[in-house]
Amino acid sequence: AQKITQTQPGMFVQEKEAVTLDCTYDTSDPSYGLFWYKQPSSGEMIFLIYQGSYDQQNATEGRYSLNFQKARKSANLVISASQLGDSAMYFCAMREGVNDYKLSFGAGTTVTVRA
Amino acid sequence: DAMVIQNPRYQVTQFGKPVTLSCSQTLNHNVMYWYQQKSSQAPKLLFHYYDKDFNNEADTPDNFQSRRPNTSFCFLDIRSPGLGDAAMYLCATSPQGPVLDEQFFGPGTRLTVL
Repeated sequence: AQKITQTQPGMFVQEKEAVTLDCTYDTSDPSYGLFWYKQPSSGEMIFLIYQGSYDQQNATEGRYSLNFQKARKSANLVISASQLGDSAMYFCAMREGVNDYKLSFGAGTTVTVRA
Repeated sequence: DAMVIQNPRYQVTQFGKPVTLSCSQTLNHNVMYWYQQKSSQAPKLLFHYYDKDFNNEADTPDNFQSRRPNTSFCFLDIRSPGLGDAAMYLCATSPQGPVLDEQFFGPGTRLTVL
C-alpha cells in the first residue's frame, strides 16, 4: 500500500497568492515524522518543514505552514505569498518510528508560479 | 558550512562501463543514504548505512554496490550501467537517535549512460 499519497501532479498559482499542496499518509506506527521537500529544476532536495506525530501545533517556517490533521492522516503544505522562485517539485515524505531511518516519498507535485 | 557534497555533479559513462559516484559529508552524521531518482519520479532508496552497518533495499539490483570507508565518505558503484540506470543519484545523511530528524541531501549526480 502507498504510504504517502500526493494526488496533485501539477498546480499553477499566481504570484503573491497562497497555494495548498495535498498529502495523505498511511501508518500504524504512533511515532512518525512528516517532511516536505522542495526540488527545483537543478535537482537538489531542499528541506522545508517538519511535523512530528506528537506535535500539538501545526508547524510553520516562514512562508511555509503545515496543516496537520492527524485523524484524517493528512499533512498539507501551505505556501503563502507565492514567489516565482517557488516554482519546483514538492515532495511529501514520512519516516515511521524512531528506529527506522528510511523516508517514504510521495509522487510529488509540480508547482508553477505565474507572474 | 557543514554540508553534503557529491562529485561529480554530472557523469557520463558508456553502456557496461563501471562508474563510481562519491558523496562526502561534514555533518558527522551516522546514517548515509543513496537514492535513485528518475525523471519526474520520487526518489527511490537504494541502500543506507547506519555507521558501517549496510542495509540494502530488497529491490535494489545487484548491479549497484556501495562502500563506506569512514564516517565522512560513501561511494556508489554501478558495475555495469545499463540505459535504464540513467538517473539522478542523490546522497543524503541524517543523525542517529530517537529524534525524527530530516535527511540532508546533497546536490545530486546526474548520470547519463551512452
